[in-house]
This record gives sequence, C-alpha cells and structure tokens, in this order.
Amino acid sequence: ETGVTQTPRHLVMGMTNKKSLKCEQHLGHNAMYWYKQSAKKPLELMFVYNFKEQTENNSVPSRFSPECPNSSHLFLHLHTLQPEDSALYLCASSQDPPAGDLYEQYFGPGTRLTVT
Amino acid sequence: EDQVTQSPEALRLQEGESSSLNCSYTVSGLRGLFWYRQDPGKGPEFLFTLYSAGEEKEKERLKATLTKKESFLHITAPKPEDSATYLCAVQVTSGTYKYIFGTGTRLKVLA
Repeated sequence: ETGVTQTPRHLVMGMTNKKSLKCEQHLGHNAMYWYKQSAKKPLELMFVYNFKEQTENNSVPSRFSPECPNSSHLFLHLHTLQPEDSALYLCASSQDPPAGDLYEQYFGPGTRLTVT
Repeated sequence: EDQVTQSPEALRLQEGESSSLNCSYTVSGLRGLFWYRQDPGKGPEFLFTLYSAGEEKEKERLKATLTKKESFLHITAPKPEDSATYLCAVQVTSGTYKYIFGTGTRLKVLA
C-alpha cells in the first residue's frame, strides 16, 4: 500500500448504529487530519493529530470521536449520527514542519457516508 | 473572518481553449496558498504551493500565480483529462494547522 488509504469506501448506517472509519498513511508523516466534504461546501477541518496528540478540534459534535493510536493510523468513531452528517469524510496526512514553514497535505480517497 | 472564494463555480471548455480559474482570499495573515485537483470519487491531489505575491509555479498545462488578494490557475490548451474540480486552500498565520478551503471550480474539458 502507498499513500493514504481509507476504509470502508462506502458506509450506510442508521441513526442508532455505531461504526468506525479507518485511515492509514504510508508516507512517514507526523500529522493526520479528518475533513468533512459536503456538496457545494468547502472542506471542513474536523480534527488534527500531531504525533498522536490532538491539536485541533473544530467544535465537532461529540457523536464524532477520533482516535489516533500511532502516527500512521487514525480512526473516526461514529455514533447516533444525524442525516445531515451524510458526506464524504476525508483523511489527510502531512509532515510536521518547523515553525514558519508550509506543508502540503496528502489525502485518502475518502469514505462516502450515508446516514438513514 | 478568514474567507476563500473561488470562481467560476463551473467551467466548460473545448479542448485547446485556454482559460483561468480564480481564487480570491480575505485572511488575517497569509502563510501560503495551495492548489489541489480532485477527481470524482477521490481525495484532493496536491498541485502547487505559493508562498508570496509575485510567485509563479508551472506543471504541464497548469500555471499558478499569486497576488496579495488572489491566485489564478491558468490552464493552457486543456485536454479532456484535465477535467476535475480544482480546489484552492490558504494557510493562515493564526494557526499552524488552520487550512481554509474554497468550494472549488468544476472544470469540464470537451473533446
């Protein structure tokens, strides 16, 4: 495997279900991200982990719970979701640059989530 | 409030018909600007990073430029395989990981 992989690619779940999304990066990066992409809306940053520590949580509802056991793996645990949570969930990774430098992010293919 | 706006929302070109996509931004402090390409069913793919006004980057038929208020992605003699959504994102100085995306331009190149 190369780059950033995500499983599953498609997920349909009821509002009372519990499921998890998985992301794995094979790039040796230190930072990992979860984004939500909805139709006609910009990508929304949800969570950021740097060296397994959560550094950003952009006011995401508690029904989304991230987990980062190591710098290569990232999970998003889902429970009691709402239909408006249906979207493409993208995982990304990047190097953790020295202060003042820029970095590009490398994205996985995403998980298309449908909440019924 | 930091904001990134892309135009047009959608663009249809004939093969070989050159054009430009626009990304305008209003941010408290710009650390850098990124262009990504996204194909249907896939995640965004990194194209360019621009650091300062006046900078230009090129890759095949694509050329990105940056001013103090906007960036352009010029597409010269496009081919059908250039069809995709092009996303612009800015990194602001107020947060190491604060990355603000635009809504993208959907480009369709007709053979």
